[in-house]
Amino acid sequence: DADVTQTPRNRITKTGKRIMLECSQTKGHDRMYWYRQDPGLGLRLIYYSFDVKDINKGEISDGYSVSRQAQAKFSLSLESAIPNQTALYFCATTADRAYEQYFGPGTRLTVT
Amino acid sequence: QKEVEQNSGPLSVPEGAIASLNCTYSDRVSQSFFWYRQYSGKSPELIMSIYSNGDKEDGRFTAQLNKASQYVSLLIRDSQPSDSATYLCALSRGATNKLIFGTGTLLAVQP
Repeated sequence: DADVTQTPRNRITKTGKRIMLECSQTKGHDRMYWYRQDPGLGLRLIYYSFDVKDINKGEISDGYSVSRQAQAKFSLSLESAIPNQTALYFCATTADRAYEQYFGPGTRLTVT
Repeated sequence: QKEVEQNSGPLSVPEGAIASLNCTYSDRVSQSFFWYRQYSGKSPELIMSIYSNGDKEDGRFTAQLNKASQYVSLLIRDSQPSDSATYLCALSRGATNKLIFGTGTLLAVQP
């Protein structure tokens, strides 16, 4: 089984809809991250969390919110989706005081 | 100036050749450097990390770091068509473990 899983893997939604992307990990890592990837722009950090009570904004958090339900689960929400949020979304984890990040398989989100 | 710069490519090399991928960065306090490989539509996969000046070898891969020149590179020896992918350079600094990524270099290994 994969160490980091994301659901759904693909999603098409309409402008204005609320959508949640979920990430779960079995690596036992404390730190979790949400990125989006756009062609030509690379990976950009949306939010990150060091533990259940510690959540921080990344460089592009506007229009997104997160919830760390447990050490192993970190969800990303788009409260009112807009077309320019169409992207590939990745969750990643890392152990405390380590630097290597391990990525989930990604969610391809299309907002029409 | 971007914090991490990579040539977008494509870099085309024949099978069996050495592929050389380069990355420069702007912040001298950066401490940790990583190379990720990403196949089209897939997630980034960590292939090398390097923390000190010099070379680090792992199989067909060699990472090179020169902090004075703010330069990190990845050499792939005996390139194979299966190495065709986008290679992302990333750096991390401070205690947050946040990664800052370059936009990647597309490598195409021609059979």
